[in-house]
Amino acid sequence: KQEVTQIPAALSVPEGENLVLNCSFTDSAIYNLQWFRQDPGKGLTSLLLIQSSQREQTSGRLNASLDKSSGRSTLYIAASQPGDSATYLCAVGGSSGSARQLTFGSGTQLTVLP
Amino acid sequence: DVKVTQSSRYLVKRTGEKVFLECVQDMDHENMFWYRQDPGLGLRLIYFSYDVKMKEKGDIPEGYSVSREKKERFSLILESASTNQTSMYLCASRRFGNTIYFGEGSWLTVV
Repeated sequence: KQEVTQIPAALSVPEGENLVLNCSFTDSAIYNLQWFRQDPGKGLTSLLLIQSSQREQTSGRLNASLDKSSGRSTLYIAASQPGDSATYLCAVGGSSGSARQLTFGSGTQLTVLP
Repeated sequence: DVKVTQSSRYLVKRTGEKVFLECVQDMDHENMFWYRQDPGLGLRLIYFSYDVKMKEKGDIPEGYSVSREKKERFSLILESASTNQTSMYLCASRRFGNTIYFGEGSWLTVV
């Protein structure tokens, strides 16, 4: 059974710092991996989707990488801002792409201090 | 812009009531999902639907049912609400293998 781990559970950084969030998974036979942010009391907002054949995706200050062989993905946030404060979750899609095989991590709560 | 709309953001219901949570998406997505999210337990899949009139149980279907009569609408039904169903409920949709889009969430309190 796929297990997805996000460490650390919480992270606090000063504004302007570049930072990396980690997502690791136990089964490398994945279909895709997606990163989300969640603001308190709200739903999840999709940030980036990486298909299994891709190594990375970029959107603005965000860059997500995928290394299937090591079972890891990282989300790089450049020049962090207080507005980036949120919980960041990753979700791994199983090899068949089946809805049943979507596995979410428990998230990293990021606080960017002004 | 893609949109997944959950009709109720905050609900308070009494134990034993029948509760309907509605979700509508405007992206012609085949797959739709209902999750619940609880502190310390993360997101847990209740039910999902591959397409119209198709549904499958997720990891925690007990006490819930769903309906998908039209492609854009996926309803979650709590047949007889109980206090342990107090939670945040999240609806999501996607085209197979692609980006998953979530609604804003529905906070349900059962008293």
